[in-house]
Amino acid sequence: SQQGEEDPQALSIQEGENATMNCSYKTSINNLQWYRQNSGRGLVHLILIRSNEREKHSGRLRVTLDTSKKSSSLLITASRAADTASYFCATDLGGFKTIFGAGTRLFVKA
Amino acid sequence: DTEVTQTPKHLVMGMTNKKSLKCEQHMGHRAMYWYKQKAKKPPELMFVYSYEKLSINESVPSRFSPECPNSSLLNLHLHALQPEDSALYLCASSQELTEETQYFGPGTRLLVL
Repeated sequence: SQQGEEDPQALSIQEGENATMNCSYKTSINNLQWYRQNSGRGLVHLILIRSNEREKHSGRLRVTLDTSKKSSSLLITASRAADTASYFCATDLGGFKTIFGAGTRLFVKA
Repeated sequence: DTEVTQTPKHLVMGMTNKKSLKCEQHMGHRAMYWYKQKAKKPPELMFVYSYEKLSINESVPSRFSPECPNSSLLNLHLHALQPEDSALYLCASSQELTEETQYFGPGTRLLVL
């Protein structure tokens, strides 16, 4: 079953612009994570935000979490061509299961 | 060593073949995972091992058989697969089952003919 829904499905921007991706989920969570996947490769963990946190930063990444709306957003500032990848949110359903959202494919044009 | 390795990188097999995918980590992680990922889809959890014991089987068909010989190794034995099983198979590990951050290997791209 898919817990997270992400939008947009695809996003194309120019280098230097900011990219915002959104994730919505259905059930209560303990935490929400964001992962990046370069084409056909493994996933790389970017950031984790807990249910009692509202915002978190890591370098050029900013993640927000609104548990009342069951949604999260990932902002990448000053994007680079190397940021081109698919981005997935992931939530825990309890029982130690991690469920990934459908993902946003980001393309950053140089 | 903060790496999860997977072999082989690519695998082509017929529906009558038996093959195995291997995953290895030397980070001392006690939880290991198998995911299946179809093109342009998110990873889907298949199996979870904790302290070398199977904790979660997400109703995966018996033609997929996981094995955890020791705390560093995770295998996925494949037998009588179907063409629809063609996908990227990802292995991941985490410090403990309760540890949220998972470290992923590069995956094995499997093609079943």
